[in-house]
Amino acid sequence: AQSVSQHNHHVILSEAASLELGCNYSYGGTVNLFWYVQYPGQHLQLLLKYFSGDPLVKGIKGFEAEFIKSKFSFNLRKPSVQWSDTAEYFCAVGNSGTYKYIFGTGTRLKVLA
Amino acid sequence: SQTIHQWPATLVQPVGSPLSLECTVEGTSNPNLYWYRQAAGRGLQLLFYSVGIGQISSEVPQNLSASRPQDRQFILSSKKLLLSDSGFYLCAWILASGDNEQFFGPGTRLTVL
Repeated sequence: AQSVSQHNHHVILSEAASLELGCNYSYGGTVNLFWYVQYPGQHLQLLLKYFSGDPLVKGIKGFEAEFIKSKFSFNLRKPSVQWSDTAEYFCAVGNSGTYKYIFGTGTRLKVLA
Repeated sequence: SQTIHQWPATLVQPVGSPLSLECTVEGTSNPNLYWYRQAAGRGLQLLFYSVGIGQISSEVPQNLSASRPQDRQFILSSKKLLLSDSGFYLCAWILASGDNEQFFGPGTRLTVL
């Protein structure tokens, strides 16, 4: 069955701490991988995506993610978080053949100033 | 530029009443359209998606249905609402010929009493 697992449901960090949010997936075929972010009171928006090529992808606001095919993982990282990174983060997996996307349960990140 | 609209923004309905939520996209043609339900701790659950007019794929058996009467219009409906239908409903679109980034609407908060 297709699924996406985000193991960290709530994360609390102090400013300048490093961040890593886990994402593992189960999805057949060629995958497209995404991280979306939802800031308080705002729409979901794309943070970064992986389709092919370099497995280390860089997104907006200093975020990056690494696709490790052997581990079926696409973890999100940021070396130094800011208070403004407080948001909910969603990992998603899709397939350009079926146009069907599966989202994880989300991780709520709170950054303390 | 492309925009996505959802209405109403909030809705309070009694159990057993009908439902119609509307989503429209501007500034693009032949998008793939999606309905998700977002619940706390459960992430985004894909309900329906559509790759063209009149084409609907249902992902979760439930009390809801979807229709796509026009290229850029996607409607979520129910004949008789249940308490469990309460939630936050998101519409999204992608350009199938594009890079598969999903763009999300502002959502509708539905409360069934």
